[in-house]
Amino acid sequence: GAGVSQSPSNKVTEKGKDVELRCDPISGHTALYWYRQRLGQGLEFLIYFQGNSAPDKSGLPSDRFSAERTGESVSTLTIQRTQQEDSAVYLCASTQGQGEGEQFFGPGTRLTVL
Amino acid sequence: QKEVEQDPGPLSVPEGAIVSLNCTYSNSAFQYFMWYRQYSRKGPELLMYTYSSGNKEDGRFTAQVDKSSKYISLFIRDSQPSDSATYLCAMSTSGTYKYIFGTGTRLKVLA
Repeated sequence: GAGVSQSPSNKVTEKGKDVELRCDPISGHTALYWYRQRLGQGLEFLIYFQGNSAPDKSGLPSDRFSAERTGESVSTLTIQRTQQEDSAVYLCASTQGQGEGEQFFGPGTRLTVL
Repeated sequence: QKEVEQDPGPLSVPEGAIVSLNCTYSNSAFQYFMWYRQYSRKGPELLMYTYSSGNKEDGRFTAQVDKSSKYISLFIRDSQPSDSATYLCAMSTSGTYKYIFGTGTRLKVLA
């Protein structure tokens, strides 16, 4: 496809369960971001990948959150032992180059933790 | 104090009105300023991208940056119901990949 895709679009889980969210960036985009968007709040930076460099994990809120990316392809965001405060929309974005310039966003995964 | 402040709205205007959306910021090192539009249950999409101070126009949209006041604006002329969305400002310093986003302003244009 031409754009960034994310799956699943919606995920409802029980507190304490692990979830895995997937992002397929635009082909050729070397930079990839994960953001969290809580209701009524702005986009909260979680993690940044650039090619094969070490990712910037400075935005991950706790050690329950982790993310992986193989090369310049798919990325997965994993949340272990989910809590109700993890409920949010998780957005993925990709860009060309070093990350400056336009970020192309996916539609997001809406996570609800019961 | 947040680095970027944005009134969450909602802002309701009649069709055809001129809309003014604004953000203030505290970091004087910000050089790149962006406006994103986000429709319900969609990801944000870039509307306007401005470097440093000044104005930029694209069709019905005008972005303004006033670095001396640490204030940016997005004007929408002849607003349409299809402009109903949340508008997010974002900004960054030079040479960085990290962007700081505002909370977004929800706009409703009434037919």
